Amino acid sequence: GENVEQHPSTLSVQEGDSAVIKCTYSDSASNYFPWYKQELGKGPQLIIDIRSNVGEKKDQRIAVTLNKTAKHFSLHITETQPEDSAVYFCAASKRRDDKIIFGKGTRLHILP
Amino acid sequence: DSGVTQTPKHLITATGQRVTLRCSPRSGDLSVYWYQQSLDQGLQFLIQYYNGEERAKGNILERFSAQQFPDLHSELNLSSLELGDSALYFCASSVNSGYGYTFGSGTRLTVV
Repeated sequence: GENVEQHPSTLSVQEGDSAVIKCTYSDSASNYFPWYKQELGKGPQLIIDIRSNVGEKKDQRIAVTLNKTAKHFSLHITETQPEDSAVYFCAASKRRDDKIIFGKGTRLHILP
Repeated sequence: DSGVTQTPKHLITATGQRVTLRCSPRSGDLSVYWYQQSLDQGLQFLIQYYNGEERAKGNILERFSAQQFPDLHSELNLSSLELGDSALYFCASSVNSGYGYTFGSGTRLTVV
């Protein structure tokens, strides 16, 4: 069945450094890959997404890369700030409004 | 405020009982999705409704059921509750051809 693997489960980085979270997916029909940020006590919030016809997308300090051949995609956060501390989820679906399958999440800690 | 409203925010109930969780999607969104979030399982897809019709089903137990009403709000019914049903339950909505999901802030269910 559909599966999304995410690692690491926990990541601590010094403020100002970069953070990278990696995911793999199993369903080769997947073509939409969103990333969500979940802060304590809140629902997940979409922060960036990428479609399979694009290899990379950037939005200020956040970038996502996609390797369809290897079924890998990654989230890169540069110049990390304290407000980046949260749980990040990668996900995959076959189109933007289809059911989304989530990875198990990465808890990111930004150290002062 | 994401525009997706979930009630109640917290619910404490005893084993064997039945509860109903309610979700109002963002204005204009036709699709509603229900997810269960527990510590060890991440975000698990339960069920999707589109304009009143069931569209996709995930790992939803037979004790659980859902429906979407003509005004597009949705209810998730959980019956014969067990301790293991304690979790956060999220609702999300999307426009059929728009961006990815928008999540509500969730209902925390505690079964004692």
